This record gives sequence, structure tokens and C-alpha cells, in this order.
Amino acid sequence: EDQVTQSPEALRLQEGESSSLNCSYTVSGLRGLFWYRQDPGKGPEFLFTLYSAGEEKEKERLKATLTKKESFLHITAPKPEDSATYLCAVQAGSSYKLIFGSGTRLLVRP
Amino acid sequence: DSGVTQTPKHLITATGQRVTLRCSPRSGDLSVYWYQQSLDQGLQFLIQYYNGEERAKGNILERFSAQQFPDLHSELNLSSLELGDSALYFCASSPVAGLQETQYFGPGTRLLVL
Repeated sequence: EDQVTQSPEALRLQEGESSSLNCSYTVSGLRGLFWYRQDPGKGPEFLFTLYSAGEEKEKERLKATLTKKESFLHITAPKPEDSATYLCAVQAGSSYKLIFGSGTRLLVRP
Repeated sequence: DSGVTQTPKHLITATGQRVTLRCSPRSGDLSVYWYQQSLDQGLQFLIQYYNGEERAKGNILERFSAQQFPDLHSELNLSSLELGDSALYFCASSPVAGLQETQYFGPGTRLLVL
């Protein structure tokens, strides 16, 4: 069965303290891996899509990378406004649905 | 703002009742997806419509149904509501129904069943 696991569940950082979030997946035929950011009570906000191992994408302080088994979301010099839950999702095989991980709750303290 | 709109934002109702959630996709998008987010289950796919036709089904209960209208807006109908149906319901849209397409999410409808 297709599965997505995110770690850690929660992460507390000081402002400026860089770190990485992990998303490991077990799927048959990865079509795409998607990163979203979700603020409390809001809808997921799209960040990145990665399609093949070795691919990297950047946006401001965020950088997403992909291997054959996992993806990392690197946060460089985070700011308090980066505090949110970061969700990883995969699309696999011939299915259009997204399979989500349980998310990493990030808190960045000033 | 993703361009996907959902109404209402909040809904409070009683067990056994029926409610309808509405979603308007981004301009030009033909595909609509419904997801349920609860504390214990995370985000779960319910159903997908493409240009008015059902395209894919997830773990959607028989008490739940959906449709997509000619103007491409979609409605999710939840009936015989139970306490466990309390959750956030999200709609997402994408341009067509292609694999590898990014799905853009709306702000959600928070349903509370008392």
C-alpha cells in the first residue's frame, strides 16, 4: 500500500537556525511529490512539485530535494513567519489523488 | 489566495442532518477534488470530478455524495451526519485531470456536528 511518512512530527527552531524536514515514501510508480504549507484553519498552500530523483527546487528560504525514497525540505535561516505545518504528498501510478503525510509542525521562535 | 473558493466557511449542525458544501474552482480549471481533514486521519482524498463527470473515488462514505455542475462548480453533500463527520473539508482544483498536475486548495469548510 502506498504510504507517506513525515518526520519529525514537530520542530522548534530559533530564528536563523537552519534545519530540514523529511518525507519518506513507499509507492508504486511515483508521478510527483508535492510540498504544501498549511497555517492553522487554512487550506494547504502549494510550495513545490518534484518529479524525479535528483531534482531540486528553491523558493526564498526553502529548498526541496528528491531521492528515490525520500524528499527533504530545507529551511535556511528561518523567520517566525515560516511557522506552519508543512505537508508532503505523493501522486503515484495511475491515480489522480494525493496521498498526504501527517505533516511537520514547525515553530520558529524570535 | 489560490483562486479556489468554498462556502460556507463554518457549519454547525446536529447529528442526523444533511448539509451541502460548495466549491468554485480556479478560473479555467476543469477538475475538482474533495478532501477531508480530521485530527486523527490527516488529509484524505474523497472524490474527483472532471468536467462534470466522476473520475476517481477514495474512501468516501455512502452517506456522502458529490456532483459537478455545467459551470464547473462542485457540491459535496453529507447526509445522516454523525459526530465523527466533524472535520475540515477542502476542495482543490487543477487545469485538467492529468497526472503530475498541481492541485490548488481552497480555504476549506469547517463542519461541526453536535
